[in-house]
Amino acid sequence: NAGVTQTPKFQVLKTGQSMTLQCAQDMNHEYMSWYRQDPGMGLRLIHYSVGAGITDQGEVPNGYNVSRSTTEDFPLRLLSAAPSQTSVYFCASSYSRTVRNEQFFGPGTRLTVL
Amino acid sequence: KQEVTQIPAALSVPEGENLVLNCSFTDSAIYNLQWFRQDPGKGLTSLLLIQSSQREQTSGRLNASLDKSSGRSTLYIAASQPGDSATYLCAAMDSNYQLIWGAGTKLIIKP
Repeated sequence: NAGVTQTPKFQVLKTGQSMTLQCAQDMNHEYMSWYRQDPGMGLRLIHYSVGAGITDQGEVPNGYNVSRSTTEDFPLRLLSAAPSQTSVYFCASSYSRTVRNEQFFGPGTRLTVL
Repeated sequence: KQEVTQIPAALSVPEGENLVLNCSFTDSAIYNLQWFRQDPGKGLTSLLLIQSSQREQTSGRLNASLDKSSGRSTLYIAASQPGDSATYLCAAMDSNYQLIWGAGTKLIIKP
């Protein structure tokens, strides 16, 4: 199993550009989520999905869109990049959204917006 | 609103020492408390998950405890090794099944 994969690993954008961060998992997990990690702060939830076709907002959803057309893939779209979106982005998955399931994380995407 | 704090932000100890990392949370209404390890440039790896009804969990040289009444969890690392150097994060699962994260403790084990 490859686990949770993310592409790209690094990305530099100019203000106003759009892009999609890719996330895929091969563990047949129902629950997937996107976090951002900023220096000196804990991870913050952007969006999550409890299954194909179902998505919901987390703590910091503004400026981001998601979709979940398949169980395996959960892309994160930046609509119009802003310097405040400079961060490290992590995708995570677990079997389900319950209290007992271990979460698996991808290696992260380091995004810089100029 | 749940807040999770980890103090200190960084810790450096000689190899072989036993050490304790701290995690505090403001709302005792949690489903579980989780500890993760993060290596530079890599994702997070789950270490231990303590359910709200449990007091502690153990895995090898790691032992995590949970005291909901005082809003505290500790991660005990026995006989530390240079390979234990990493950032350790704790996260509390709140009543909405969302993980609320601490900022982490960066641990350096000196050979």
